[in-house]
Amino acid sequence: AQKVTQAQTEISVVEKEDVTLDCVYETRDTTYYLFWYKQPPSGELVFLIRRNSFDEQNEISGRYSWNFQKSTSSFNFTITASQVVDSAVYFCALSEANTGNQFYFGTGTSLTVIP
Amino acid sequence: DGGITQSPKYLFRKEGQNVTLSCEQNLNHDAMYWYRQDPGQGLRLIYYSQIVNDFQKGDIAEGYSVSREKKESFPLTVTSAQKNPTAFYLCASSIVGGPTDTQYFGPGTRLTVL
Repeated sequence: AQKVTQAQTEISVVEKEDVTLDCVYETRDTTYYLFWYKQPPSGELVFLIRRNSFDEQNEISGRYSWNFQKSTSSFNFTITASQVVDSAVYFCALSEANTGNQFYFGTGTSLTVIP
Repeated sequence: DGGITQSPKYLFRKEGQNVTLSCEQNLNHDAMYWYRQDPGQGLRLIYYSQIVNDFQKGDIAEGYSVSREKKESFPLTVTSAQKNPTAFYLCASSIVGGPTDTQYFGPGTRLTVL
């Protein structure tokens, strides 16, 4: 079973629109960590954020914000006033305290921002 | 300037040949990882290592081999036993390899079998 589901395969928005990328996870651990990475066309994964399961506070970093809701097992990512440079594939990932080194990645959401 | 380097960026191989992908890091991280990325499938773990001279198989280790003789280096060999090796390969590292650790990635190597 997929531990991390990113149901949106591809999204296209017009520049300056807001866009939300969905991430739903599945775990039985009470201690776990959630991550978002950005993969631009160059290929390298760029770390964006890490959140632990005990901290449900939403986070904002510039135009980026993250909404963590344990009740729905979701960790959604919103880009406000999107820009062409935001075009990339975005991955959500989960690690669990009891499985140590394993990162479970979603299949990614490809975002295209149209100028 | 700390980071992870992978070489080469593009690699072409004939069927039946072994090929080695390089991964070097100067972040002083203990843990290193190899992932394979195929279109629409996300990243899948091939091997990981938390300490020199020790490594563990990930989900798709068959047809691959690794070594960890130095802390900074974690080369991946794609052997002729790997049935479908054409993919994008990403190397990552983290401080100690625990679940709290953020993994940092290199630029990747795109392998194509001709």
